[in-house]
Amino acid sequence: DAGITQSPRYKITETGRQVTLMCHQTWSHSYMFWYRQDLGHGLRLIYYSAAADITDKGEVPDGYVVSRSKTENFPLTLESATRSQTSVYFCASSEVERYLRETQYFGPGTRLLVL
Amino acid sequence: GNSVTQMEGPVTLSEEAFLTINCTYTATGYPSLFWYVQYPGEGLQLLLKATKADDKGSNKGFEATYRKETTSFHLEKGSVQVSDSAVYFCALRAGRTGNQFYFGTGTSLTVIP
Repeated sequence: DAGITQSPRYKITETGRQVTLMCHQTWSHSYMFWYRQDLGHGLRLIYYSAAADITDKGEVPDGYVVSRSKTENFPLTLESATRSQTSVYFCASSEVERYLRETQYFGPGTRLLVL
Repeated sequence: GNSVTQMEGPVTLSEEAFLTINCTYTATGYPSLFWYVQYPGEGLQLLLKATKADDKGSNKGFEATYRKETTSFHLEKGSVQVSDSAVYFCALRAGRTGNQFYFGTGTSLTVIP
């Protein structure tokens, strides 16, 4: 499928478990991003990646790990899930930076519930 | 630092009413500004954008003008439709490398027939 996809779309897990959220894009965009969306906070950037093997922290990186071995994939791992990580997670991608004009394209989101 | 402050909702309007959703920002340098829309159960979609002062972004009848003097990027539409019901996010792109986006908290709009 063309575009940007996320899996799973819904996930329920327990406190302390490791969870990996997958993100895949077919445009060969250089940049990829992970956000979490919470009521009252809008979207907050967790991590982003400028290219394969290049990642950097965003606003709320604690408790998360990312990797980018291939341009098209950008998995997000919660090493030991906590209830505060219950949220909706969005992956996004964008083209190479060009005078700050490039927009982002978002996936459909993953709803994660940590019990 | 960089931040976006957005008008709180929810907003309920009758069909064909005029819409304004306020957005102001704080940023270093010269950010690009965006409005995204999120329909129920979906991800965010770009609605419009402006990359420099006095630029006007427009799409689907929505407009927003990049006002550097007032650090604002208010979203307007002259006549809303039921299909415009969604959550609207104002965002800016700035940061040291230009690769960080900052989003407002979102404004929920419901348009009733």
